[in-house]
Amino acid sequence: ETGVTQTPRHLVMGMTNKKSLKCEQHLGHNAMYWYKQSAKKPLELMFVYSLEERVENNSVPSRFSPECPNSSHLFLHLHTLQPEDSALYLCASSQGRNNEQFFGPGTRLTVL
Amino acid sequence: AQSVTQLGSHVSVSEGALVLLRCNYSSSVPPYLFWYVQYPNQGLQLLLKYTSAATLVKGINGFEAEFKKSETSFHLTKPSAHMSDAAEYFCAVIKGAQKLVFGQGTRLTINP
Repeated sequence: ETGVTQTPRHLVMGMTNKKSLKCEQHLGHNAMYWYKQSAKKPLELMFVYSLEERVENNSVPSRFSPECPNSSHLFLHLHTLQPEDSALYLCASSQGRNNEQFFGPGTRLTVL
Repeated sequence: AQSVTQLGSHVSVSEGALVLLRCNYSSSVPPYLFWYVQYPNQGLQLLLKYTSAATLVKGINGFEAEFKKSETSFHLTKPSAHMSDAAEYFCAVIKGAQKLVFGQGTRLTINP
């Protein structure tokens, strides 16, 4: 595997389910990010991890819970989501300040 | 605070015609600017970046962008559009440490 990978690519879940999104970067980067991309809205930064420590949480509801066990892996745990949470969730990584971010292909989430 | 504005949510050009996608930024310090492309059902891919070196930046797939401080612009151009250029394009600026702020995106359609 190369670059940034995300699994699953597609996920359909009910509002009472618990699921997790996984992101893995194979680039040796020290920062990882979760973004939400909804139709007709700008990309929204959700969480930033730098050196495995959460450095930013942009007022994201507690039904989204991130986890960064090491510098290569990032998870987004989901529980009791709402239909409006349906979106494309993108993971990215970067090395150092002011460097470009590399994105994964995203997970298309549908909440019924 | 740094931010970006993309003029035109949808641009349509004929195959072989000039592509011009507009981006204006606001920044209190010299910015780091990026253009990303997103093809359907995929993540974002870096096209090019400006990091205060040459004002004319060449990227992948024949795209280039010119940084104009006097106009606070970073417009993306390509001399001759190809059908494969159809995608959504995002301008972004670095805000703070390791944080990208994205514009709203411009969907580029290529007419045969």
